[in-house]
Amino acid sequence: GAGVSQSPSNKVTEKGKDVELRCDPISGHTALYWYRQSLGQGLEFLIYFQGNSAPDKSGLPSDRFSAERTGGSVSTLTIQRTQQEDSAVYLCASSPQGTLNTEAFFGQGTRLTVV
Amino acid sequence: QKEVEQDPGPLSVPEGAIVSLNCTYSNSAFQYFMWYRQYSRKGPELLMYTYSSGNKEDGRFTAQVDKSSKYISLFIRDSQPSDSATYLCAIPQGSSASKIIFGSGTRLSIRP
Repeated sequence: GAGVSQSPSNKVTEKGKDVELRCDPISGHTALYWYRQSLGQGLEFLIYFQGNSAPDKSGLPSDRFSAERTGGSVSTLTIQRTQQEDSAVYLCASSPQGTLNTEAFFGQGTRLTVV
Repeated sequence: QKEVEQDPGPLSVPEGAIVSLNCTYSNSAFQYFMWYRQYSRKGPELLMYTYSSGNKEDGRFTAQVDKSSKYISLFIRDSQPSDSATYLCAIPQGSSASKIIFGSGTRLSIRP
């Protein structure tokens, strides 16, 4: 596709379950970012990939959160033992490379609700 | 102190008004500044970016940076109902923009 694709678009899960969120970046984009946006809040940085490696994972809030990227393309964000405070919109973005004046293109997000 | 601070609004103005959106930042080393626009239930999209101080104009939008006061602004002229959205200032960090720090966003509503 032409843009960043995220799946699922909505996910409702029970507290304590594990969830996997998927991001398909724009083809050829080497940089990939995960952000979290809580209701009425700005974007909270989670992790940055350059190719398959993650030189900056400083935003992951706890060891329940992990992410990987394979083949320099698809990325998966995994949240283990979900808690109610994990409820948020999880946004993925990609850019041709992590340069300062390059636009990061965002997907529409996965809306996660933990009940 | 947050690295980027932004008044969350909401801000409601009549159609045709000039809108001023603002952010402050804490690190004087920041050089690039961006504005993203986010419509409801959509991902943010880049509106404008500027480097260092000064103004940059794109149609009805003007981005302004004042590095001496660490203050960035976005002006919208002749505002339209279609401009109703959340506007987020953003600052890339690191030599390769490994992290983009966003303000909390200002929710703007243009009344017809």
